[in-house]
Amino acid sequence: KNQVEQSPQSLIILEGKNCTLQCNYTVSPFSNLRWYKQDTGRGPVSLTIMTFSENTKSNGRYTATLDADTKQSSLHITASQLSDSASYICVVSEGNTPLVFGKGTRLSVIA
Amino acid sequence: NAGVTQTPKFQVLKTGQSMTLQCAQDMNHEYMSWYRQDPGMGLRLIHYSVGAGITDQGEVPNGYNVSRSTTEDFPLRLLSAAPSQTSVYFCASAPRVPWPGTYEQYFGPGTRLTVT
Repeated sequence: KNQVEQSPQSLIILEGKNCTLQCNYTVSPFSNLRWYKQDTGRGPVSLTIMTFSENTKSNGRYTATLDADTKQSSLHITASQLSDSASYICVVSEGNTPLVFGKGTRLSVIA
Repeated sequence: NAGVTQTPKFQVLKTGQSMTLQCAQDMNHEYMSWYRQDPGMGLRLIHYSVGAGITDQGEVPNGYNVSRSTTEDFPLRLLSAAPSQTSVYFCASAPRVPWPGTYEQYFGPGTRLTVT
């Protein structure tokens, strides 16, 4: 059973446009939620970590939101650039067990 | 700092062969781990270590062995490679265990392994 579901699976947007990626989770108890960016052929790199008490967190053009009540998170990318082309992975911590990884959303930004 | 390094970058094995994937970190992190990443699946934890001499199994440990004799190194051994172990392997480290807290996890560049 996949406890972290990400949507869409893939997305293509024009350079300069905004986009929003979704993450729904069912893990309980919830501890924190992370978003990673993974460029092709590279390891994941952390974008943000949010605890249950945080609703919004920004990292440059990336803004993550968290609704712990509905168990949903989103990652909003503003004014996309070609370098934003990557997979974005949502990861949830459910307390005293290892992190649970989503399958990721593959974003392609085209000129 | 080099961060987390992995060798080799690519490897092709025949079924039944053994090999060791190397992982090293220079950040004095207590926690180190191995993941595998397969198409259409999320990263899956193979083994992890919370300090020198201490290892534990993750979600998919079968077919893999680990040991942690130093803080810096955490090698992953495949004793008898199988085609099902064809995957991309990532090593990661963190100052402490990244759950349930918020310790940042740093990933290496990965090793792409093909077993024929």
